[in-house]
Amino acid sequence: DTVLTQSPALAVSPGERVTISCRASESVSTGMHWYQQKPGQQPKLLIYGASNLESGVPARFSGSGSGTDFTLTIDPVEADDTATYFCQQSWNDPRTFGGGTKLELK
Amino acid sequence: QVQLQQSGAELVKPGSSVKISCKASGYTFTSYDMHWIKQQPGNGLEWIGWIYPGNGNTKYNQKFNGKATLTADKSSSTAYMQLSSLTSEDSAVYFCARGALDAWGQGASVTVSS
Repeated sequence: DTVLTQSPALAVSPGERVTISCRASESVSTGMHWYQQKPGQQPKLLIYGASNLESGVPARFSGSGSGTDFTLTIDPVEADDTATYFCQQSWNDPRTFGGGTKLELK
Repeated sequence: QVQLQQSGAELVKPGSSVKISCKASGYTFTSYDMHWIKQQPGNGLEWIGWIYPGNGNTKYNQKFNGKATLTADKSSSTAYMQLSSLTSEDSAVYFCARGALDAWGQGASVTVSS
């Protein structure tokens, strides 16, 4: 299975720029997607196809990368962005998710 | 708007089975895959498989072969997942999600305990 590795946690101040990384154990082309999950809620799609912003998602969120290295950027970070962010690949079977990066605001 | 409404929390005994439902509205049910995802407390997400309600085709993560069975009822726009031979490892929240995982149900909690 394709293993997706994310840093477990980050802490930033409101107004700053934050980058969350996701590294795949093998190429996933641009079949990488990003989700935001708040406690007690279902995940919400933010970015699909590595760099495409989902409808209704603020333009503060952006994604980049291809192959094995991907980044989700939030600029500027707002207090409401406190959440866990997951990457997920759909290029290889089975689909897999990263372990999640918990974003905390200082 | 697209909505996926899942059934409620379940408390079930080890060795038994449980069937979770996911009722879709706001879109053409038969035109999109329905995926199922598992999330254990404090853990990440695991993809279980998908069903295409239009023709009943399914695809499973090999890890869940024999554990999960996906079905769909076109007449009620409802997808189902049955989990069998339950153990404590099956205690989790289970989500349904449409197609490109662009819409998710609220999750159904399954607790396996004697």
